[in-house]
Amino acid sequence: AQKVTQAQTEISVVEKEDVTLDCVYETRDTTYYLFWYKQPPSGELVFLIRRNSFDEQNEISGRYSWNFQKSTSSFNFTITASQVVDSAVYFCALRASNTGKLIFGQGTTLQVKP
Amino acid sequence: ETGVTQSPTHLIKTRGQQVTLRCSSQSGHNTVSWYQQALGQGPQFIFQYYREEENGRGNFPPRFSGLQFPNYSSELNVNALELDDSALYLCASSPGQGGLTNEKLFFGSGTQLSVL
Repeated sequence: AQKVTQAQTEISVVEKEDVTLDCVYETRDTTYYLFWYKQPPSGELVFLIRRNSFDEQNEISGRYSWNFQKSTSSFNFTITASQVVDSAVYFCALRASNTGKLIFGQGTTLQVKP
Repeated sequence: ETGVTQSPTHLIKTRGQQVTLRCSSQSGHNTVSWYQQALGQGPQFIFQYYREEENGRGNFPPRFSGLQFPNYSSELNVNALELDDSALYLCASSPGQGGLTNEKLFFGSGTQLSVL
């Protein structure tokens, strides 16, 4: 079975703090893809980052960075120097290689206070 | 470049009625998928269409059906509405062959359906 777990339901930080959103996934596939999406109050899911299962290189893109570890089936996402505009619900998602569907976690609500 | 647009934005229906939701995919995208997002939950995959044919379906009953048109726009139809069908329905499009790679999905803002 495939599953994505985001254990953190809600996180509240003060502006400029760093924050890490946790994601743990389950899959038996050897090839799969992982994503992070952001959902602001408008409802639209906005793509943030993606990672292939065969590429464990961690990267930084602006204030965003992610840590992909196959050994622990984790795909954590970090926002550096958080801003009020980062307040939203963040979803981690998994896609197997032989299907187009995304399996989403329950989401983590991030509140950044000024 | 026009993004994914959905209509209507909000809809109120009564239990037992039927509803049709519409989606215009992003220009150049030939794959469209639909997701149901209940309050406080992550989106759940309903089905996907590639070049007018359904090529993937989630755990939803047959009363959830869809269409994709030659211009790649799409409809989601739900018959015999139940109270639990109340949710945000999201449409997403992608440019590839049914999203079988690491390509990202482009989502619309959704249709908020309330069933009373």
